[in-house]
Amino acid sequence: DTGVSQNPRHKITKRGQNVTFRCDPISEHNRLYWYRQTLGQGPEFLTYFQNEAQLEKSRLLSDRFSAERPKGSFSTLEIQRTEQGDSAMYLCASSLSWADTQYFGPGTRLTVL
Amino acid sequence: AQRVTQPEKLLSVFKGAPVELKCNYSYSGSPELFWYVQYSRQRLQLLLRHISRESIKGFTADLNKGETSFHLKKPFAQEEDSAMYYCALSEGYSTLTFGKGTMLLVSP
Repeated sequence: DTGVSQNPRHKITKRGQNVTFRCDPISEHNRLYWYRQTLGQGPEFLTYFQNEAQLEKSRLLSDRFSAERPKGSFSTLEIQRTEQGDSAMYLCASSLSWADTQYFGPGTRLTVL
Repeated sequence: AQRVTQPEKLLSVFKGAPVELKCNYSYSGSPELFWYVQYSRQRLQLLLRHISRESIKGFTADLNKGETSFHLKKPFAQEEDSAMYYCALSEGYSTLTFGKGTMLLVSP
């Protein structure tokens, strides 16, 4: 499968724990995006990378959230000291360049107990 | 701030009936608009974008700047069209702002 992949697909954690998600974009895609989707809502933008540079962050991305894309390939999204409000589907997307279609991964569903 | 409104949470039609999924947006610039679709147990995927002016799976959407709308239409709905549909707006080809989505159910 040459699409965007995300791991893990599901994560259950206790409040206060740290979690890390991984996204592998389509090969040679320069742009990588993170979105969050809660029940009954559309995806909401969190942050995006152009190669290894993080170019924009949403106000939704609190200090507890950090994203990296070392070497411009895969990306990780870490949430520290998780809260119940962090429970959501975290979606990753990639595109070849700035004007191209964003292709989405299957998402990681986070449940914070 | 840009915003995308999909006024209907659910749209239920019979097979063969026309479908119109509404999308209105607010944006001061010149937007790029998209429709994404998510079939059951599948990932979000692009259905169409206004700049390409394509018809995908029989769906079309026309950008009406005067009414700030980008409604999705299909003359004859099929059962396989049942899915969640999201309208999205992009500013400067960067991030996407999505609406809350409309669930389309096509009954036989």
